Amino acid sequence: KAGVTQTPRYLIKTRGQQVTLSCSPISGHRSVSWYQQTPGQGLQFLFEYFSETQRNKGNFPGRFSGRQFSNSRSEMNVSTLELGDSALYLCASSLGRRQFYTEAFFGQGTRLTVV
Amino acid sequence: QKEVEQNSGPLSVPEGAIASLNCTYSDRVSQSFFWYRQYSGKSPELIMSIYSNGDKEDGRFTAQLNKASQYVSLLIRDSQPSDSATYLCAVNGLRGGGNKLTFGTGTQLKVEL
Repeated sequence: KAGVTQTPRYLIKTRGQQVTLSCSPISGHRSVSWYQQTPGQGLQFLFEYFSETQRNKGNFPGRFSGRQFSNSRSEMNVSTLELGDSALYLCASSLGRRQFYTEAFFGQGTRLTVV
Repeated sequence: QKEVEQNSGPLSVPEGAIASLNCTYSDRVSQSFFWYRQYSGKSPELIMSIYSNGDKEDGRFTAQLNKASQYVSLLIRDSQPSDSATYLCAVNGLRGGGNKLTFGTGTQLKVEL
């Protein structure tokens, strides 16, 4: 059974540019969550998508956005990149059943460096 | 007050010993609790989940939950050098379903030969 796949694994971007990251969840999983991990702030929740709808949102500026497709694959976009956006971006996949708190499995992450 | 607190460590234990990792959380209505292991340069790997008070055992790992004290712990028996990693405690406090994990800063575990 394939795990969570994130692409690309590494990215280098310039301040002011925008970037799109992709996540393919485990087959059958309908929930995709995105997290940012930095040495200073640790792991922080960005947002969660379930059935193509944003179900939960963290405390990040509007420059961070996402979407989910009908096949549950998800993309995350960051516009007008800042140096502080340099981080490991992690996608987590779960079954996402509404009434139960299901386990979340992480992809390998995308390491974004903003220069 | 941080929502999920862990001692950052490092916690050093000899090979074969029991490693005890602790976590406290502030949101009393939190429903589900997880332990992740993260090796340096890698992504977090889920090792345990626990939803009700008491102990849950899986191989060398035991998770303990005490909702009254808002406390979660992870015991690793017969610690091995391969257990050396950062252990992240995560809490899902959502009431209506969905996944929004709040993580502690992690405890670094070092298992020494």
